[in-house]
Amino acid sequence: KNEVEQSPQNLTAQEGEFITINCSYSVGISALHWLQQHPGGGIVSLFMLSSGKKKHGRLIATINIQEKHSSLHITASHPRDSAVYICAVHTGTASKLTFGTGTRLQVTL
Amino acid sequence: NAGVTQTPKFQVLKTGQSMTLQCAQDMNHEYMSWYRQDPGMGLRLIHYSVGAGITDQGEVPNGYNVSRSTTEDFPLRLLSAAPSQTSVYFCASRQSYGYTFGSGTRLTVV
Repeated sequence: KNEVEQSPQNLTAQEGEFITINCSYSVGISALHWLQQHPGGGIVSLFMLSSGKKKHGRLIATINIQEKHSSLHITASHPRDSAVYICAVHTGTASKLTFGTGTRLQVTL
Repeated sequence: NAGVTQTPKFQVLKTGQSMTLQCAQDMNHEYMSWYRQDPGMGLRLIHYSVGAGITDQGEVPNGYNVSRSTTEDFPLRLLSAAPSQTSVYFCASRQSYGYTFGSGTRLTVV
């Protein structure tokens, strides 16, 4: 079993829909990251969380340390949100990241 | 523009050849790292560095060497390329607020 599990693996939504991507992890962590990988391959850091909730534009990330679970929400989704969303956690000394396999999101008109 | 610069973007190697993937950042970040991304698998850490002169192994270090002589540069060396090293490679640096990734190098070993 991977230390970081994401669900769903693939997600198709219509423009305007509210989207939730989930991340569960099985180890103690010091921080959790959400990343976005564009169709062209580039990776962008969206959020770094160690507790609570963060918001940036239409993106909201939450984390529940006790339940070892994080969610990434996208409100009013748009085709430009189509990308792979990756969850990653810092464990131990925080020098190493362990990644989930990603959620591929496609938003259609 | 500030960020992480990786070169080359694409490379084809023959088995047994050696090469260096370059990574440079101009943000004065102490932490830098190399990852490989393979289909169906998450990114995996190859090597990382917490500052000039300090490097350590990640999850999949075999077949790769690194050095960190300056804060800016963190090259990844393939000593004798193998087909199993066909992958997309990403370099990243880290500050307190998160990671900055390079644009990636797509390497094919034939």
